[in-house]
Amino acid sequence: KAGVTQTPRYLIKTRGQQVTLSCSPISGHRSVSWYQQTPGQGLQFLFEYFSETQRNKGNFPGRFSGRQFSNSRSEMNVSTLELGDSALYLCASSLEGTGINSPLHFGNGTRLTVT
Amino acid sequence: AQKITQTQPGMFVQEKEAVTLDCTYDTSDPSYGLFWYKQPSSGEMIFLIYQGSYDQQNATEGRYSLNFQKARKSANLVISASQLGDSAMYFCAMREGGIAAGNKLTFGGGTRVLVKP
Repeated sequence: KAGVTQTPRYLIKTRGQQVTLSCSPISGHRSVSWYQQTPGQGLQFLFEYFSETQRNKGNFPGRFSGRQFSNSRSEMNVSTLELGDSALYLCASSLEGTGINSPLHFGNGTRLTVT
Repeated sequence: AQKITQTQPGMFVQEKEAVTLDCTYDTSDPSYGLFWYKQPSSGEMIFLIYQGSYDQQNATEGRYSLNFQKARKSANLVISASQLGDSAMYFCAMREGGIAAGNKLTFGGGTRVLVKP
């Protein structure tokens, strides 16, 4: 069974541009979550989608948005990029809707560098 | 308030020895799950072990075991017989129960483990 696939692996963008990251969950998983990882702030929750609906959102500005398609694939978009958006963006999928014992399975991440 | 605390930013361990990684948490939710993940330098997050708040026994998965002390709100990871491939960052994470929490994980700051040959 294929794992969580994130594309692209690396991105270099300029301040003010926008970027779209893609995540394909494990087959059958309907929950997709996004996390930002930086050396200063650590791992922070961005948002979660379940059955095409945003179920939960972290404390990030509106420049960060996402969506989920009917096949559970998800995209996140960051508009008007800032230098501080440079980070590793991790996507995770989960089989269950709200089961606390269902582990999240992560992709390899997309490393975004904003110059 | 910080919900997950990992007090050891980094540690060395001799190959074949055991190592304990500390994790304390804070929640008022009686239903929660605790997870440990390993992140090698490649960046991927690898799920290691899970412990539920209502589980009576400590979780074990191969060389990984979780020392769960609910009253002290601690969930320490024990890696037995360390291998060179265990060198990585280790994160403790918590998911609180309830529909509102969904699949949101709160992570600790991580502990970097370096296994010496």
